[in-house]
Amino acid sequence: EVQLVESGGDLVKPGGSLRLSCEGSGFTFNSYSMYWVRQAPGRGLQWVSSISSRDALTFYADSVKGRFTISRDNAKKSLFLQMNSLRADDTAVYYCAAGKQPYDAFDIWGRGTMVTVSS
Amino acid sequence: EIVLTQSPDFQSVTPKEQVTITCRASQNIVSSLHWYQQKPDQSPKLLIKYASQPFSGVPSRFSGSGSGTEFTLTISGLEAEDAATYYCHQSMSLPCSFGQGTKLEIK
Repeated sequence: EVQLVESGGDLVKPGGSLRLSCEGSGFTFNSYSMYWVRQAPGRGLQWVSSISSRDALTFYADSVKGRFTISRDNAKKSLFLQMNSLRADDTAVYYCAAGKQPYDAFDIWGRGTMVTVSS
Repeated sequence: EIVLTQSPDFQSVTPKEQVTITCRASQNIVSSLHWYQQKPDQSPKLLIKYASQPFSGVPSRFSGSGSGTEFTLTISGLEAEDAATYYCHQSMSLPCSFGQGTKLEIK
């Protein structure tokens, strides 16, 4: 079964840090570009970051640039998002997704992990 | 940044009807436009990629068309399970962006 499973979401205070993980199975992880997409409560979808399949080129939304870092470990079929200097407006469900290329549709989605930034 | 605007924001329809959702892009995105379905408390699922290519396993009642700046998602013969929010997404350039969503209610 093709699957992405996120973990690491939590309640954190403003200014704090959190590391999200996403583990893939059932597909050739190292052939896919990977993405983080978030959805604030009751709101729409927002792309956060992308990383290419093998050369690990990274891309970020302006709203997270300099605060978030995306990375991947193809041997462990895992994707990560290190989030620093968290703000209240980072509160959202964070989805991990996969596509064939850096500029592509998101073929595979995880179930998401909730990040809440509040004092 | 490319802005995607969907219409309508909300639509209430009866089973077996046909519904069309429109997505307009602020710039020419050729055919780099994709459609997703998100049911309550679930993650999004890809329906259509590159404007008109059905994704694997998607029922044939879902179809997409368009190019350039105007795109449509058509659902023919609506079923109760199609109640969801539908999003368009452009991958022409970064930052990739999503439409605001169209919520479909089945009466």
